[in-house]
Amino acid sequence: GAVVSQHPSRVICKSGTSVKIECRSLDFQATTMFWYRQFPKQSLMLMATSNEGSKATYEQGVEKDKFLINHASLTLSTLTVTSAHPEDSSFYICSARAPRVANSPLHFGNGTRLTVT
Amino acid sequence: QQPVQSPQAVILREGEDAVINCSSSKALYSVHWYRQKHGEAPVFLMILLKGGEQKGHDKISASFNEKKQQSSLYLTASQLSYSGTYFCGANAGNMLTFGGGTRLMVKP
Repeated sequence: GAVVSQHPSRVICKSGTSVKIECRSLDFQATTMFWYRQFPKQSLMLMATSNEGSKATYEQGVEKDKFLINHASLTLSTLTVTSAHPEDSSFYICSARAPRVANSPLHFGNGTRLTVT
Repeated sequence: QQPVQSPQAVILREGEDAVINCSSSKALYSVHWYRQKHGEAPVFLMILLKGGEQKGHDKISASFNEKKQQSSLYLTASQLSYSGTYFCGANAGNMLTFGGGTRLMVKP
C-alpha cells in the first residue's frame, strides 16, 4: 500500500526560529500533497495543497509567507514554519493520494508535533 | 465548508452498536471515513463513491446517500480497539474537507 513518511515526528523550537517538516511518498509519485494542521481535540484543517513544480495553493486565512511550502520533486514536499510563535504549536500532518488511481484515499504521514516555546 | 458530524462523542460498552452521521452542504463525489487514535495520524477506513452505496469492513460499515449529501458509519458489536476519533472527509473536488470528528470510547 501507499506509504507516506513525515519527519520529524516531534520538534521543539524557540519563538522566532524556523522549522522545516518533510513529507515523502515512499512507494509512489505524488504530484499533489496536502498539508493539514490539527489543534488538540479539533478536526484536521487543510492549510495548503502542494503542487509539484508549481506554487502551493493556500486555504483562506493561512499566511503563505509564514508557512512556506516547497514541492521540488514528485516524492518530497516540505513545510517550513517561519518565525514560529507559541500559537503555531500544533500537530501538522501531510497526506498524498496515489496517482492515477480514481478516488483513492488520502494516505497520511505520522504527523509532526510542533511545540514553540 | 466543513461537513457536520454527529454525535460529537459517544461512550459504549464492548459489544454495543453505534452510528456516526456526516452531513455536507455541498454536493459530494465521495465520502471517506478515517479513525484517529490519540497522538497518531488518521487511518483510512473506507471510501464511498456512489449514492446509496454501502461498504463494509469487518463489523464496520457505511452508507452514502448522495441526494441528501449524507453518510453514516455503523459500528456493530464494538470492540475496545474501536476507540478513537472518527472523521468523515467530504470530497467535493480534489481535496478532502473533514468533519469535526466524533470521539468514541468503548469500555469493557
